Amino acid sequence: AQTVTQSQPEMSVQEAETVTLSCTYDTSESDYYLFWYKQPPSRQMILVIRQEAYKQQNATENRFSVNFQKAAKSFSLKISDSQLGDAAMYFCAYRSANTGNQFYFGTGTSLTVIP
Amino acid sequence: DAMVIQNPRYQVTQFGKPVTLSCSQTLNHNVMYWYQQKSSQAPKLLFHYYDKDFNNEADTPDNFQSRRPNTSFCFLDIRSPGLGDAAMYLCATSRDLESLLQYFGPGTRLTVT
Repeated sequence: AQTVTQSQPEMSVQEAETVTLSCTYDTSESDYYLFWYKQPPSRQMILVIRQEAYKQQNATENRFSVNFQKAAKSFSLKISDSQLGDAAMYFCAYRSANTGNQFYFGTGTSLTVIP
Repeated sequence: DAMVIQNPRYQVTQFGKPVTLSCSQTLNHNVMYWYQQKSSQAPKLLFHYYDKDFNNEADTPDNFQSRRPNTSFCFLDIRSPGLGDAAMYLCATSRDLESLLQYFGPGTRLTVT
């Protein structure tokens, strides 16, 4: 099975500053998808951003962008101009494009935003 | 508007006493998933339904069962909860098996005493 590793259990950032959350994954496949999900306290998990492995261009959604390094199997999330509402648990996830529909999640990074 | 609803949000049960967690969806999605998320761990898929077809993950204990009486509802039954089953249980839906988007409910936190 594929594994997803988030090596930072906790991170903090000053409001309005930029923070980068790390994610690495292990796979032998060449075609897959990568995701970042946000889970605020006591609220449901929502999709922040996704990346198709066949695309070289890094995905961007407003203040959220990724740095996708396919050869290094790295998929980091950059949050610019951090806001208090960004405080949440962030999960990196992997899904194969060919073999089944299961999502593999990392253990999460808890992000604190300091006013 | 709530799209994936889980009831209750918090559930306390006794060791060995059967418990049922509920999930409903207003999205009319074909696929419904149940994940177990223990503290400081990644969500782990237990099983999913594609319509009425039940798909169990190989390492899901027999203690966990599921029912999907119709498109909107899916239940997670834990027949004899142990202390190790205390966790957050997440329900999610997707339009079909190929869909990249999963919509999650808020979860039910299960405590076993």
